Amino acid sequence: DAKTTQPTSMDCAEGRAANLPCNHSTISGNEYVYWYRQIHSQGPQYIIHGLKNNETNEMASLIITEDRKSSTLILPHATLRDTAVYYCIGEDSNYQLIWGAGTKLIIKP
Amino acid sequence: EAGVAQSPRYKIIEKRQSVAFWCNPISGHATLYWYQQILGQGPKLLIQFQNNGVVDDSQLPKDRFSAERLKGVDSTLKIQPAKLEDSAVYLCASSLSRSYEQYFGPGTRLTVT
Repeated sequence: DAKTTQPTSMDCAEGRAANLPCNHSTISGNEYVYWYRQIHSQGPQYIIHGLKNNETNEMASLIITEDRKSSTLILPHATLRDTAVYYCIGEDSNYQLIWGAGTKLIIKP
Repeated sequence: EAGVAQSPRYKIIEKRQSVAFWCNPISGHATLYWYQQILGQGPKLLIQFQNNGVVDDSQLPKDRFSAERLKGVDSTLKIQPAKLEDSAVYLCASSLSRSYEQYFGPGTRLTVT
């Protein structure tokens, strides 16, 4: 079973920040949270991952709550090319990624 | 840097036939994964290799699926015989090692009729 829960779908206006929430109340203290996205008909693409601290890279920012029960992925200036399914993923003790169904993000012009 | 290569991109077979998929990971990546992704779902790990050894194949239906990674580089995944429920996209991914970010190929879309 997936260790994370996400909304099924979300919309965001082009040029605005897209904030994708994820609940992961059952992950343990040493398990990372990963975000991948999958554009239609392509393989998944790594975005970012984190443990306790907030993280930022050239693609996105990851905000993790202090209790680690939830996190938010932020795409600061969404473009039409960011339309994809976004997966918030937990891992098991063998570093295996536990995938759920993800959030379908639609960026609207 | 070349990405993960997979072939074929599409395959249509009848049930009870056999099929094989090929994956060439990114050069230098020790860990290779095969995933099955059914429409509308997230990927499900079938098997993980570390170099040419199997790390995890707990979700591989071993009565019909097999995989190998000879010489720790390319890998093949075989289904024999195929069932209707095997219709899915089969994704190959590689990473430098376990716990590192995974790089995915474009996948092979299998349709079993």
